[in-house]
Order: sequence, then C-alpha cells, then structure tokens
Amino acid sequence: AQSVTQPDIHITVSEGASLELRCNYSYGATPYLFWYVQSPGQGLQLLLKYFSGDTLVQGIKGFEAEFKRSQSSFNLRKPSVHWSDAAEYFCAVGAPNDYKLSFGAGTTVTVRA
Amino acid sequence: SAVISQKPSRDICQRGTSLTIQCQVDSQVTMMFWYRQQPGQSLTLIATANQGSEATYESGFVIDKFPISRPNLTFSTLTVSNMSPEDSSIYLCSVEYPGEEDYGYTFGSGTRLTVV
Repeated sequence: AQSVTQPDIHITVSEGASLELRCNYSYGATPYLFWYVQSPGQGLQLLLKYFSGDTLVQGIKGFEAEFKRSQSSFNLRKPSVHWSDAAEYFCAVGAPNDYKLSFGAGTTVTVRA
Repeated sequence: SAVISQKPSRDICQRGTSLTIQCQVDSQVTMMFWYRQQPGQSLTLIATANQGSEATYESGFVIDKFPISRPNLTFSTLTVSNMSPEDSSIYLCSVEYPGEEDYGYTFGSGTRLTVV
C-alpha cells in the first residue's frame, strides 16, 4: 500500500519569500500525487496533481510541484508567498486501480508580514 | 470536476446522541468517500460508499458506529452514532471524478462536530 510523509509540521515564511513544502511517498510504481490546501474552517482545495508526463506540474494560486522518482518526492513550491497562503497543506498519494488516497500529516504554513 | 454540498457545516451535540451528515453532488459519481479529521490531524478514510451496495469500512471503523447510506449516484449520508467527546472532528465527504485529464478527488467543505 502507498504511504506519504510530510517531514515539516510547521513552516513560517515572510510575505514575499519563497516557500517549499516537502512530500515523500512510498509506492512501488508511479503513483498519483496530489497537493491540497485547507484554509481555516474550510474543506480541501486541490492545488495540483501529477499522474504522468512532465515532472514539473503547475497548479493554481501560483504553486508548482516537481515529481522526482529517484527521490520519491513531490515537493510543492511557490516563488513568492502571499498572506492568504497561510493554511494547512496536505500531500496525498493514490495508485492506479486503487481508489484510496493516503494523506500526509500536513504542514501548517504561517506567513509573517 | 464535481461540486459537493455538505451539511451541516458545524454542530454541537450532546454525548449519546447521533448526527447525520449529508453530502450532495451536482453530478452522478460512482464512488463516494467519508473521511474523519481529528483536531490537528490528517485525514483518515472511514469508508467508501458505492450506490447499491454496502459501504466498505476501513480498519478501526464499524457500521454500527458510522452507518452510511448511498441511495443514488448523487447523495450519501454518514451518521455518527452514540457520540462521545472523542468523536469531535471534522467529517468530510469526497468523490472521485474519472476522466483522462480531469481525474481526481473533490472534497466537501466539511462538518465540524463538537460533542459535549
């Protein structure tokens, strides 16, 4: 079964600074990978996803993620953070022919002025 | 992708009572999922609900505690039964939307449950 690790529980960044959130997965083949964001009191919103093809994926809100098979990673990045990016970020992994998603523990992002 | 309407958005309930959460989807979907998110935690899958069949529960979750209905391809309910304070969580429904370009999962806005 697939699993995912988000090593960073909490990250604080200054507004305008770059942001990188780490995600490592465990799966024997190429998984389906997702990044979701959860703002306080809200549900989950999909930022981006990767299934195959170009390993650099562009998402909404200026986010991108890069799939690195050799490192079993799918790190999320944003060049310049806005105060509205303060939220909880979840990496999730799924697999072909398996509808179950496994979520990481999440990373809380705080943006300071 | 599908749009999900989930309600109630929040509730405060007395221990020993039950709460039913509803999830309405704006299109027909085969698979619907129910998740629990305990305070400060990640999402844990409770069960998978397919129309016309019994829900499939994950380890640690049982039908008597979390009965699920799936009467048609656009609707599902999750009941949290005989509640205790440990059931205080956010409960989210999710659907899988198939397709080559669009494949993925959409989530409802969640139900924040507090048991007192």
